[in-house]
Amino acid sequence: EDKVVQSPLSLVVHEGDTVTLNCSYEVTNFRSLLWYKQEKKAPTFLFMLTSSGIEKKSGRLSSILDKKELFSILNITATQTGDSAIYLCAVNYGGSQGNLIFGKGTKLSVKP
Amino acid sequence: KAGVTQTPRYLIKTRGQQVTLSCSPISGHRSVSWYQQTPGQGLQFLFEYFSETQRNKGNFPGRFSGRQFSNSRSEMNVSTLELGDSALYLCASSLNLNRDWETQYFGPGTRLLVL
Repeated sequence: EDKVVQSPLSLVVHEGDTVTLNCSYEVTNFRSLLWYKQEKKAPTFLFMLTSSGIEKKSGRLSSILDKKELFSILNITATQTGDSAIYLCAVNYGGSQGNLIFGKGTKLSVKP
Repeated sequence: KAGVTQTPRYLIKTRGQQVTLSCSPISGHRSVSWYQQTPGQGLQFLFEYFSETQRNKGNFPGRFSGRQFSNSRSEMNVSTLELGDSALYLCASSLNLNRDWETQYFGPGTRLLVL
């Protein structure tokens, strides 16, 4: 069965800390892995990763994919209270049950 | 460019009723996907439409259906509502999700409460 597993499920840190969020997957016909940030309603797109070992960066956020070990990590450095959100990992694959399968998310809370 | 819009934003229904939700994709996007999000199950894929045809379908009962119009706007319908259908329903659009480099952009969602 295709699945995407995120860990930890929730995390509480203080401003300035660095966090690493994990996403592992088992899917057939992998195409890409995506990270989203969901604050209140609509998930907003962060990164899409298709190639192993190539880091994507956007400000304090970065992500990398390991296609051999079937996982990705999302790093956030110098966290701010505005980083508090649910971070969703999704895999785009060619299965018959749909194109995207999501993990359950990691709820990040950043305390001042 | 306007984002994905969904209407209504909030809805309260009672068991046994039916409901229709609407989604307008980003201009030029032809793929529209629907998701159900609940605290227990997370985001689950319902179906995807492309060029007015259902291209993919998730593991939901037949009470959940959808359609797409020629202008790419999409509707989803849930008949005979159950308490467990209470959820946030998200719509997402992309140019053509079957391409490796494509990603989806989400609307604000419709919060459905079934009493």
